[in-house]
Order: sequence, then C-alpha cells, then structure tokens
Amino acid sequence: GAVVSQHPSRVICKSGTSVKIECRSLDFQATTMFWYRQFPKQSLMLMATSNEGSKATYEQGVEKDKFLINHASLTLSTLTVTSAHPEDSSFYICSARAGGTEAFFGQGTRLTVV
Amino acid sequence: GIQVEQSPPDLILQEGANSTLRCNFSDSVNNLQWFHQNPWGQLINLFYIPSGTKQNGRLSATTVATERYSLLYISSSQTTDSGVYFCAVERRGGAGSYQLTFGKGTKLSVIP
Repeated sequence: GAVVSQHPSRVICKSGTSVKIECRSLDFQATTMFWYRQFPKQSLMLMATSNEGSKATYEQGVEKDKFLINHASLTLSTLTVTSAHPEDSSFYICSARAGGTEAFFGQGTRLTVV
Repeated sequence: GIQVEQSPPDLILQEGANSTLRCNFSDSVNNLQWFHQNPWGQLINLFYIPSGTKQNGRLSATTVATERYSLLYISSSQTTDSGVYFCAVERRGGAGSYQLTFGKGTKLSVIP
C-alpha cells in the first residue's frame, strides 16, 4: 500500500508555544489530506480537510486560528498548533487520498503540552 | 451525517480462536475501509471494501452494501492481532465528500 509519513511521532512543548506537524505522501500525489484528533480510548475525530492549493475546511467546533493547516503541495500538509495549552494534548493523525481512492494514514503524533 | 456502529465494543479471545466483527452504517456508501490500530497508534489498512468479499491471509471481509453492513473475520487469532479494529465509511456528494466517518471501534484482546 501507499506510504504516508508523519513527523514528529512524539513532541513535548511548553504552554504558549507553537508546534508544527508534517504529513507527507511518499509515493503518490494526495489531492486531499485530512487531520484527525484522537483522545485516549476513543475513535478518530475529523478536524479538517485540506485540498492542495486551497484553504482547509474545518469541522464544527475546531478553531481555525489555533489549528493552522497548510497544504502547499500534492505531497505535503502541515498542522500547526498555535499557542498550545495542556488541553491541546492529544494524538493527532493525518490521512491522505488521491481522489476517491483508498485512504492511508500517517503514524500519528503524540503531543504533550506542559 | 452518516452513522457507523461497530460491535462488539470489546472482545477477548483465546489464541487460535476465530472471531467476527460487525460494522453497520446508516446510509449508502461509496467507500468502506477496515483498519487495525496497533498499540503505538498506527492505523494499518486491512481492507478497502465498499462491496463484495476480500481475503488476505487469516483475515477476510464482506460488505453487503444493500443491507448496510460489513463483517471482518479473523481466523486462528494470534496475540499480535490484539488492538482496536475500526470501520470507516464515506458517503460521497456535497459537503464532506471524501471524508471518512469512523465507528467507535472494537477492542480485541488475544490471550495466549
């Protein structure tokens, strides 16, 4: 299957700082990328959908100014958590698709804000 | 939006046993995928199966789109099969196209 690489896998940051997470599709062009958040023992919750070269579409309740998404190329999307607070601590996972084909997921990033 | 229900929520198996996991969905779908989330959080693609039957080793899956359900079969389970199994569906058209909606998952524990 296709490979989606997400970095970093784990990050600890101080409250008030910003953290950038990268998501790359290594062997295909991802027309659409998705960002999910997962709390312990829960399912994946979609945060936003991004298409290359256009603004991301955020799900209801997700603050677009806190979670900045950039999809500058067909192989790279970034999620920046701005002014992070302890309640932003979570597991963040990206996904990539080429049109309506099978979705593939990155390894996830465990963010801890102290 | 579309609703996805998975059952059972938890399952404990003796190594070597077989199991069936179920995914019901509330509307017609264009895409259905099964994933295994390992203890490190990685989502492993198991099947891309909007309809029909597929097999891959000890795993197989069947989706009956007209009756809005999918089944994942695990035969001769091994301890490495432990983890959470997710079903995710996509209903295309209008807002939310290409988005996958996840069920709550089935947590499988295989004991030696």
